[in-house]
Amino acid sequence: NAGVMQNPRHLVRRRGQEARLRCSPMKGHSHVYWYRQLPEEGLKFMVYLQKENIIDESGMPKERFSAEFPKEGPSILRIQQVVRGDSAAYFCASSLGPSYNSPLHFGNGTRLTVT
Amino acid sequence: GENVEQHPSTLSVQEGDSAVIKCTYSDSASNYFPWYKQELGKRPQLIIDIRSNVGEKKDQRIAVTLNKTAKHFSLHITETQPEDSAVYFCAARENDSWGKLQFGAGTQVVVTP
Repeated sequence: NAGVMQNPRHLVRRRGQEARLRCSPMKGHSHVYWYRQLPEEGLKFMVYLQKENIIDESGMPKERFSAEFPKEGPSILRIQQVVRGDSAAYFCASSLGPSYNSPLHFGNGTRLTVT
Repeated sequence: GENVEQHPSTLSVQEGDSAVIKCTYSDSASNYFPWYKQELGKRPQLIIDIRSNVGEKKDQRIAVTLNKTAKHFSLHITETQPEDSAVYFCAARENDSWGKLQFGAGTQVVVTP
């Protein structure tokens, strides 16, 4: 059973470009979470999605950031018009059910560098 | 919302000694406390967790204790080995509709031979 798959592993974007980060959850998992990790900091919650639904986006910046988890295909975290402060590691996690009854399994992350 | 504080931020131990990491949380309704280990450049991996109806849990060299009254929980690693070197994160689950996990800032553990 493959784990949570994220791609790309590394992404370099110039200021003003768009970044698209992809996440395929573990097989059978329909709950996806995105976390951001700044250098030498903890994991900060961004958004929680189920298939075709955003359940909680309280950690998402109000502008430029969006997320989706379509019926078919991976979850996408999209950052428009990136700025240097967006440079971070973005981790996706999935679970079998809501996290109150299922542990989170993390992917290897996408390290975004904005130049 | 939940706020989790973690100490120390770095911990250096001699191989064979014990390591202890402590976390405090703010929401007395939080009921689930996992610990994740993250090696350099890799994914956070769940190593142990504890629920609020239990005071202590052990898995080989790793143990976690929970004090609900004081709202703190700790990770104990005994007989440390070089492969225990990593960043360790504690987390607490908010008692909201779906159980959002809030993470501590992490502890860099270095085990020296």
